[in-house]
Amino acid sequence: QSVLTQPPSASGTPGQRVTISCSGGSSNIGSNNVYWSQQLPGTAPKLLISRDNQRPSGVPDRFSGSKSGTSASLAISGLRSEDEADYYCAAWDDRLRIVMFGGGTKVTVL
Amino acid sequence: EVQLVESGGGLVRPGGSLRLSCAASGFTFNDAWLSWVRQAPGKGLEWVGRIKSKSTGGTTDYAAPVKGRFTISRDDSKNTVYLQMNSLKTEDTGIYYCLEMTVSWGQGTLVTVSS
Repeated sequence: QSVLTQPPSASGTPGQRVTISCSGGSSNIGSNNVYWSQQLPGTAPKLLISRDNQRPSGVPDRFSGSKSGTSASLAISGLRSEDEADYYCAAWDDRLRIVMFGGGTKVTVL
Repeated sequence: EVQLVESGGGLVRPGGSLRLSCAASGFTFNDAWLSWVRQAPGKGLEWVGRIKSKSTGGTTDYAAPVKGRFTISRDDSKNTVYLQMNSLKTEDTGIYYCLEMTVSWGQGTLVTVSS
């Protein structure tokens, strides 16, 4: 199974804080950086978080990443309607020698 | 401005070949490790493979479904990375993205394998 585990969906009302989890193992999240990407409907993915918690230039500080042990999280604070998208985590796996992606989490703004 | 621009996608018959290109700008290409990622219609993201920078060995790694059929190469003089795809199967259909994991995604190019 070459997939990190994410919940299939998450939701919140405008202004709320939403957290998405990404669970892996010692050979991937436990020993390598985690990356998060956002994919708006019908568009290419966009890098949101690099190296566990680094925001590339232009990414709002409403988005934050964290990691603890073999799990990582993406938090979206001050949720907005334009945040409705699919979110993916990814990490290198030392044992399989591949990049593993999560199955994706669809965020809905209620 | 960081840019990754893919090209070369199209319609190909099963068993055929296709070469994708990804032209990069706005960052130090020579130091970059570049990946190819694909997305089948209505599905999630699937990593295809990557190539390291020449200074770190220039080696490649591939996902199991494409190993032995796909080859990634790079031309640092042209700031371009390539994905050579041989023995294509219908299940290889999808949008193919170029990715530098610390910098940016490309906009993707569509590959359709069908008879």
